[in-house]
Amino acid sequence: DVKVTQSSRYLVKRTGEKVFLECVQDMDHENMFWYRQDPGLGLRLIYFSYDVKMKEKGDIPEGYSVSREKKERFSLILESASTNQTSMYLCASRDAGGSAFFGQGTRLTVV
Amino acid sequence: GQSLEQPSEVTAVEGAIVQINCTYQTSGFYGLSWYQQHDGGAPTFLSYNALDGLEETGRFSSFLSRSDSYGYLLLQELQMKDSASYFCAVRDPSTGRRALTFGSGTRLQVQP
Repeated sequence: DVKVTQSSRYLVKRTGEKVFLECVQDMDHENMFWYRQDPGLGLRLIYFSYDVKMKEKGDIPEGYSVSREKKERFSLILESASTNQTSMYLCASRDAGGSAFFGQGTRLTVV
Repeated sequence: GQSLEQPSEVTAVEGAIVQINCTYQTSGFYGLSWYQQHDGGAPTFLSYNALDGLEETGRFSSFLSRSDSYGYLLLQELQMKDSASYFCAVRDPSTGRRALTFGSGTRLQVQP
């Protein structure tokens, strides 16, 4: 089974902090994604990566950056956390033709 | 861009059949997929339709009509454990079809 692991289930951070969310997948998938999920808005794409060191902006990249130094790891960085970034963050991976596999999510609260 | 419309909530009773509809608008279509998400859990893949017609996987079936830009997820013999949110999704041409664009989800509540 594909496993996508996110480093934290719950995080509480202060406004202005730099926040790192880590995601690791174990199936050698090329594509990895970060989404945020908010009530009534579904899943919105923040960033995605299709290869090591390759990254592309999604629909809502403002305030975020990403890093993919190794194929299995895709990190989401909140440069300066703000309260409107309080959300559920979901990492996913997918091979070239298959369905997406999601991690368990990180519920981030910015206070 | 892409947009997907689905009802926000559906309620049904145990043992019944329920249909969750999804209409989409996309600049390039590469199939419609469905995901299930229980409260507090991760979305999990249910089904994928690239061509018109019905795909059946156990109690769940998914239908696609490309000419109508429409699909649905059919859940039969509903069980309490089917209470969850269901999302339809299409591949986003603006990302080279790598990423999925999701609808805002349909919350299914199964009652005894």
